Amino acid sequence: GAVVSQHPSRVICKSGTSVKIECRSLDFQATTMFWYRQFPKQSLMLMATSNEGSKATYEQGVEKDKFLINHASLTLSTLTVTSAHPEDSSFYICSARGGEQGNSPLHFGNGTRLTVT
Amino acid sequence: AQSVTQLGSHVSVSEGALVLLRCNYSSSVPPYLFWYVQYPNQGLQLLLKYTTGATLVKGINGFEAEFKKSETSFHLTKPSAHMSDAAEYFCAVSLSSGTYKYIFGTGTRLKVLA
Repeated sequence: GAVVSQHPSRVICKSGTSVKIECRSLDFQATTMFWYRQFPKQSLMLMATSNEGSKATYEQGVEKDKFLINHASLTLSTLTVTSAHPEDSSFYICSARGGEQGNSPLHFGNGTRLTVT
Repeated sequence: AQSVTQLGSHVSVSEGALVLLRCNYSSSVPPYLFWYVQYPNQGLQLLLKYTTGATLVKGINGFEAEFKKSETSFHLTKPSAHMSDAAEYFCAVSLSSGTYKYIFGTGTRLKVLA
């Protein structure tokens, strides 16, 4: 089955520093990847859609200069949280669609728990 | 606009009892519907999906769901709950055209009592 690898699984950083999260599709090519944020005991909030070779599409209310997304290849997308602050602490999950049509399921990484101190 | 409503943020069942997790959707075009399960501190795993064809869909771990267009529902069921089924369950809808963006429900936390 389609596997999405997300790294790191946990990261603790100091306020003001930047953190990069990687999302890789291991056995399929993903022209589109999605980045979600999940607050405790809540649903997933779509942050942005990452498109290979072009700029990401951000959802309303998500700061594109704070959450930098790069999708340099068909198997790798990165999310960089710049100048992190404690309110950025959250669980971040990436996903990739296993095909180009709407009936293709999303395959999820195992998430990254970010703690900003 | 599309939306997904999951009734009941918490559901408790006894081990061996029927599991029923409710999901209703709204969509202006025929939807694709999915159920995902999330274990603590992990990503989401696909349980099953409905796209076209048979309205009763069987998934992994003994779960199944039935698409009822007239009721705009896609409820998830399992005849007999197991302790390992305790997790968070999310219903999602994807459009059959346009952006194919996923919309997730707010989730239902299933607790299985011994």
